[in-house]
Amino acid sequence: DAGVTQSPTHLIKTRGQQVTLRCSPKSGHDTVSWYQQALGQGPQFIFQYYEEEERQRGNFPDRFSGHQFPNYSSELNVNALLLGDSALYLCASSLFLAGGRQAYNEQFFGPGTRLTVL
Amino acid sequence: DQQVKQNSPSLSVQEGRISILNCDYTNSMFDYFLWYKKYPAEGPTFLISISSIKDKNEDGRFTVFLNKSAKHLSLHIVPSQPGDSAVYFCAASKGGGSNYKLTFGKGTLLTVNP
Repeated sequence: DAGVTQSPTHLIKTRGQQVTLRCSPKSGHDTVSWYQQALGQGPQFIFQYYEEEERQRGNFPDRFSGHQFPNYSSELNVNALLLGDSALYLCASSLFLAGGRQAYNEQFFGPGTRLTVL
Repeated sequence: DQQVKQNSPSLSVQEGRISILNCDYTNSMFDYFLWYKKYPAEGPTFLISISSIKDKNEDGRFTVFLNKSAKHLSLHIVPSQPGDSAVYFCAASKGGGSNYKLTFGKGTLLTVNP
């Protein structure tokens, strides 16, 4: 059973360019969340997709956008790249459960895409 | 505004001894807390969690303690093993389901020396 996969592993871009990162969720999962982990920091929530719609969004500008496909895979797009966008981008997948609370918050993370903006 | 704080960037312990990793939070709306472990070149891996209605949760060598009045939680690893060497992230959410976003601390690098 494949876990969460992300591509590419590493990416180098220059300021002003655009980038697309990809994520395939763990088998059986339908929800994808994206996080940005800058050097020396913890992961920061960017947004979450479920049923091909953005359900929650963190404190990130509109330059960050995403998409979810019918097969639950997802893309993260960043426009007009800044030096400060250099980070590890993590994708996490989970199973959306409607209604009350669950026993634990099971989000499975991929290995990440390391983006360097020069 | 750091809502989840891990004030110790690193911790070094001897194999077989106890490792104690600490975490503080400021947002009283958080009601679910988790610990993730991260090895280099891998994504964070879920370790253990605790709901705000409990003050302790155990899973094998790992125990998480929650002190709501102090807005503090800790992870105890007993006995520590060299394979436990990794970065440990404390995370919190408003709600326990996987639908909810996680707010992470900056992490603590644990080194367990043989």
